[in-house]
Amino acid sequence: DAGITQSPRHKVTETGTPVTLRCHQTENHRYMYWYRQDPGHGLRLIHYSYGVKDTDKGEVSDGYSVSRSKTEDFLLTLESATSSQTSVYFCAIRRTGTEAFFGQGTRLTVV
Amino acid sequence: SQQGEEDPQALSIQEGENATMNCSYKTSINNLQWYRQNSGRGLVHLILIRSNEREKHSGRLRVTLDTSKKSSSLLITASRAADTASYFCATGGLAGGTSYGKLTFGQGTILTVHP
Repeated sequence: DAGITQSPRHKVTETGTPVTLRCHQTENHRYMYWYRQDPGHGLRLIHYSYGVKDTDKGEVSDGYSVSRSKTEDFLLTLESATSSQTSVYFCAIRRTGTEAFFGQGTRLTVV
Repeated sequence: SQQGEEDPQALSIQEGENATMNCSYKTSINNLQWYRQNSGRGLVHLILIRSNEREKHSGRLRVTLDTSKKSSSLLITASRAADTASYFCATGGLAGGTSYGKLTFGQGTILTVHP
């Protein structure tokens, strides 16, 4: 299953609080991605990374930041959570030239 | 905006029937991929077709790609109840290229196969 672990799997948080989601991989892949999934929108790319400390914005990056201080961990932070960030968040990895492998997702509810 | 648009949004069939899902996209692509998502789970890769390919098979799956029409179709033959899931097309470059392997997903087709 490509060794991807997302944590936490479920979280409820209050509006205005910071939240950090973690994606951990065990296979040393260079490319990592954070997507959010909402009804009617499919999956949309938030941020991605192409190496340690190399990150860039995706389609829906406003309100999110990321960090990758080591190959195996890619963190997604909501600086001040809003209700519009209630979603299911997926981390993905890719080996060069191949398909993406996805984690099991984190269901985040902002109340 | 979504690169891929899928049709139909939902499909309900009986076991043993074939299921066809369509995907249209807007810009030139390097490859097109199909993914499956069971309820509450992550996406699982099914098949990848490159822009210079017209058709590809994998088990009960058949994918076609028409770059002139910017469209693709996924056919699942002899469907089973276990095929019940959401199916997504995705376009984008391969990891290692200038697009950094980013994928753009369609909104998905919900397939229900009745026993």
